[in-house]
Amino acid sequence: GQSLEQPSEVTAVEGAIVQINCTYQTSGFYGLSWYQQHDGGAPTFLSYNALDGLEETGRFSSFLSRSDSYGYLLLQELQMKDSASYFCAVASYGQNFVFGPGTRLSVLP
Amino acid sequence: EPEVTQTPSHQVTQMGQEVILRCVPISNHLYFYWYRQILGQKVEFLVSFYNNEISEKSEIFDDQFSVERPDGSNFTLKIRSTKLEDSAMYFCASSEGGGGYGYTFGSGTRLTVV
Repeated sequence: GQSLEQPSEVTAVEGAIVQINCTYQTSGFYGLSWYQQHDGGAPTFLSYNALDGLEETGRFSSFLSRSDSYGYLLLQELQMKDSASYFCAVASYGQNFVFGPGTRLSVLP
Repeated sequence: EPEVTQTPSHQVTQMGQEVILRCVPISNHLYFYWYRQILGQKVEFLVSFYNNEISEKSEIFDDQFSVERPDGSNFTLKIRSTKLEDSAMYFCASSEGGGGYGYTFGSGTRLTVV
């Protein structure tokens, strides 16, 4: 089966940088995605890593280490609107695309 | 920007009744999915659909559930005999390719079973 672990909550202040970690266990891994979900809203796609290294998209970056079964989402210049839940999700050959338990990010003024 | 449309936004049904949740995926997407999220919990995979057939399904997707693409645009999830524990937000999603990249989710249908 597949399993993912993320911190349940993270708190940071506006303008700061925050890193949300994700560790996973699966066989046949081929990609790690990150999704953002505001309360009452739908998950929205943020980033995808299939290869080791850092992918940057504006204020958000995502990192993957396949050998460590580990990735993180880095959010820079935090804004109040970044307060949301962030889910990592693993894609594996022949298996379901599975979401992690989610990390609730609270951005304080 | 293209979007996935779900109807209704909220459905209340009595236990034991059948419900059909409807979705219109993005027109050029080939892969379709249903997920559910019980309040305050993680997003759980139900089923994926490609080339007019189910490609994968989870343990949650038992005989009470079925999916259909009745025409070229709609993608439906049917729950035959609803249970109280089926109360959740149900999200439809679609993507151009498989593998977890760039799924677009609909805004969801909140199903309440009473």
